[in-house]
Amino acid sequence: AQSVSQHNHHVILSEAASLELGCNYSYGGTVNLFWYVQYPGQHLQLLLKYFSGDPLVKGIKGFEAEFIKSKFSFNLRKPSVQWSDTAEYFCAVNARGGSYIPTFGRGTSLIVHP
Amino acid sequence: EAQVTQNPRYLITVTGKKLTVTCSQNMNHEYMSWYRQDPGLGLRQIYYSMNVEVTDKGDVPEGYKVSRKEKRNFPLILESPSPNQTSLYFCASSWSDPSTDTQYFGPGTRLTVL
Repeated sequence: AQSVSQHNHHVILSEAASLELGCNYSYGGTVNLFWYVQYPGQHLQLLLKYFSGDPLVKGIKGFEAEFIKSKFSFNLRKPSVQWSDTAEYFCAVNARGGSYIPTFGRGTSLIVHP
Repeated sequence: EAQVTQNPRYLITVTGKKLTVTCSQNMNHEYMSWYRQDPGLGLRQIYYSMNVEVTDKGDVPEGYKVSRKEKRNFPLILESPSPNQTSLYFCASSWSDPSTDTQYFGPGTRLTVL
């Protein structure tokens, strides 16, 4: 069974700082990868996803993530964060041919100070 | 407006008193699922459904039941709630297989079992 590890549980940044949130998974086969975001008081929504092709995936609101197969990683990045990026971020992985439902990491809480 | 709705949004109950949390989607999605979110544990799958009358267990199904009698509705039933089921519950739906398709989440139901 797959598992997902998000190393940064709480991140605090100032506006305009660069962001990188770590996500590692444990599964030897092919995976589909997702980043979801939950803004305060709102529903979870998809930021970006990767299935195949270019390992550098661009999502909404200026976010991107890079799939590095050799490192089993799918880190989320943003060059310059804004106060409105304050949210909880979840990495999720699904093993191809396995359960229909992705496995989520424990989440990273990001606070951006203006 | 395309959305997933959950009711109630907040519920305080006592041990052993049966309750149902409703989930409804208006997007004609095939797949629906339930998660619980606990601090430090992220989202964990409870049950999912691939279509009407087709359901399967997720990672933490103990103490929960579901039914899918209509495509739009996927209620979560706690026959005899216990304090360890105090959590934040999310319903989600997707047009096709959520291992590849985007899931749309409801607003969450915060349940407290005394």
